[in-house]
Amino acid sequence: GAVVSQHPSWVICKSGTSVKIECRSLDFQATTMFWYRQFPKQSLMLMATSNEGSKATYEQGVEKDKFLINHASLTLSTLTVTSAHPEDSSFYICSARDSMSGSGELFFGEGSRLTVL
Amino acid sequence: AQSVTQPDIHITVSEGASLELRCNYSYGATPYLFWYVQSPGQGLQLLLKYFSGDTLVQGIKGFEAEFKRSQSSFNLRKPSVHWSDAAEYFCAVGAGNTGGFKTIFGAGTRLFVKA
Repeated sequence: GAVVSQHPSWVICKSGTSVKIECRSLDFQATTMFWYRQFPKQSLMLMATSNEGSKATYEQGVEKDKFLINHASLTLSTLTVTSAHPEDSSFYICSARDSMSGSGELFFGEGSRLTVL
Repeated sequence: AQSVTQPDIHITVSEGASLELRCNYSYGATPYLFWYVQSPGQGLQLLLKYFSGDTLVQGIKGFEAEFKRSQSSFNLRKPSVHWSDAAEYFCAVGAGNTGGFKTIFGAGTRLFVKA
């Protein structure tokens, strides 16, 4: 099956710093990628839809200036948490859909656990 | 707007027993339906999906699900649970066209398997 890789798997940072998380589709092209946030023992909350070559579409209530998304190529999307604070600590998961497939299936990365001290 | 309800927050079954996880959805048209499984601290893996056709779909790891339009349900089943099935299970609905739809997840059901 298609593989999506996220990096880093976990990161600890100081409050006020910025953290970048990468999401790569390794063996397929993805014009659309999705970023989710998951709190402990809760479901995935869609943060934004990342579109290759254009601006991301953010869900209501998600601060676009706080969570910067860049989708510069068909295989890479990045999420940057700017000026991170402890309340940004969470598990961030990306997913991608194969552009050549009409299946609608999402392929998920392994997730990135962010801890802000 | 589409939504997904998983009524059971957690379920405990004995190893070897049968399993059914419930999922109800709300969507105006024919939905795309999915079941994903998540092991602790990891991403999600697709178990099975329904787009059209046969309402009973088979997935990986011995799982199956049945789409019932009249009940707006897509329950996941497995005849005999193994200890390795313990995980979080998410039902999801995809809405829109394949070029640009969103996938909305239910709250999840955590499965515990006892020996």
